[in-house]
Amino acid sequence: AQKVTQAQTEISVVEKEDVTLDCVYETRDTTYYLFWYKQPPSGELVFLIRRNSFDEQNEISGRYSWNFQKSTSSFNFTITASQVVDSAVYFCALSEVYENDMRFGAGTRLTVKP
Amino acid sequence: EAQVTQNPRYLITVTGKKLTVTCSQNMNHEYMSWYRQDPGLGLRQIYYSMNVEVTDKGDVPEGYKVSRKEKRNFPLILESPSPNQTSLYFCASSYIGLAGGSPYNEQFFGPGTRLTVL
Repeated sequence: AQKVTQAQTEISVVEKEDVTLDCVYETRDTTYYLFWYKQPPSGELVFLIRRNSFDEQNEISGRYSWNFQKSTSSFNFTITASQVVDSAVYFCALSEVYENDMRFGAGTRLTVKP
Repeated sequence: EAQVTQNPRYLITVTGKKLTVTCSQNMNHEYMSWYRQDPGLGLRQIYYSMNVEVTDKGDVPEGYKVSRKEKRNFPLILESPSPNQTSLYFCASSYIGLAGGSPYNEQFFGPGTRLTVL
């Protein structure tokens, strides 16, 4: 069975600090996809990244970076120089390739204070 | 524009009054799902559909019904809503794609429906 754990329920930082959101997953499949979504206060889900299980390269997109470590079943998300607009709930999710089901973590609420 | 739409976006109702939340997608996707989001629990799948007239239960189906009479529509029905169904609901449509020879499941989410049952 697949499972996603986001152990950090809430994180509060001051603007310009770096922050890392943790995600640990469990799956028996060898082929799977990992995702991060942002949910701003308005409520919609904003897709940030998809990573497949064969690609362990880290990815950087502006102030965002992702660290995928298959050995520890982790897919952590770092925001560099955080800004107030980064305040949101962030979800990590796992999808086994042929399953029509995304398994979500409980989410981490990030608050960035000015 | 490729999108998943849900209606209504906000709904306040009373216990026992039947309601339907509509979901429609314009991408010709075969797969559609409903999720509910609750604090501390993330999103959990309620029902999914692999094609027209094919539906199955997700993790939390109790108290919900769905139907898939057309490919584009996947309404969520609460026959007798109760306060524990107060939640944020998301509809999603998806397809299996290929990237570099590897299959993947691409999900598109609707904007969400915030339901309050008094």
